Amino acid sequence: AQSVTQLDSQVPVFEEAPVELRCNYSSSVSVYLFWYVQYPNQGLQLLLKYLSGSTLVKGINGFEAEFNKSQTSFHLRKPSVHISDTAEYFCAVSVLNTGGFKTIFGAGTRLFVKA
Amino acid sequence: NAGVTQTPKFRILKIGQSMTLQCAQDMNHNYMYWYRQDPGMGLKLIYYSVGAGITDKGEVPNGYNVSRSTTEDFPLRLELAAPSQTSVYFCASSSGPEVGYGYTFGSGTRLTVV
Repeated sequence: AQSVTQLDSQVPVFEEAPVELRCNYSSSVSVYLFWYVQYPNQGLQLLLKYLSGSTLVKGINGFEAEFNKSQTSFHLRKPSVHISDTAEYFCAVSVLNTGGFKTIFGAGTRLFVKA
Repeated sequence: NAGVTQTPKFRILKIGQSMTLQCAQDMNHNYMYWYRQDPGMGLKLIYYSVGAGITDKGEVPNGYNVSRSTTEDFPLRLELAAPSQTSVYFCASSSGPEVGYGYTFGSGTRLTVV
């Protein structure tokens, strides 16, 4: 069975500091990887995705993520965060099962950016 | 603006009551989904639909029903509300199979069952 683990439930960081939000997955088949962001009282928005090709993926708002197959990880990074990046971030994995694609979401990481 | 619209945004139900959560999208997406979000648990798929007239169960379908009579609308029905259904519900849509397209999410319905 597939699973997604977001290793940190909360990450506090000062404004303009770098941040890394960690995501590990388990799967015996090929995966497709996503990061979503959820601002307060809003739905989730797609931040970036990895389908194939270059393992370094760039997304919106200056975020990027790197797919590491050997470590089964897809960590999200930003070199300098802003107050407006305060939100909850979800890692998601899609795999192809007999019944079609199945997407599994991690439990989320709440990012707090402090002034 | 194009997107996924959910109504209502908030609702308090008494145990045993029923209600329908509405979801509409104007992007002509074939694929639509209902998720529930519980604190610290991520999102769990309740039901999904691959087109008008076609629905299927997700991971946690018990206590819910859906219908898809049009491409645009995908309502979620709770027949006998229970405290365990207290959650935030998200509707989502996508233009193709799950992989590669990502989802467009609605802003959610926060439901409390007392």
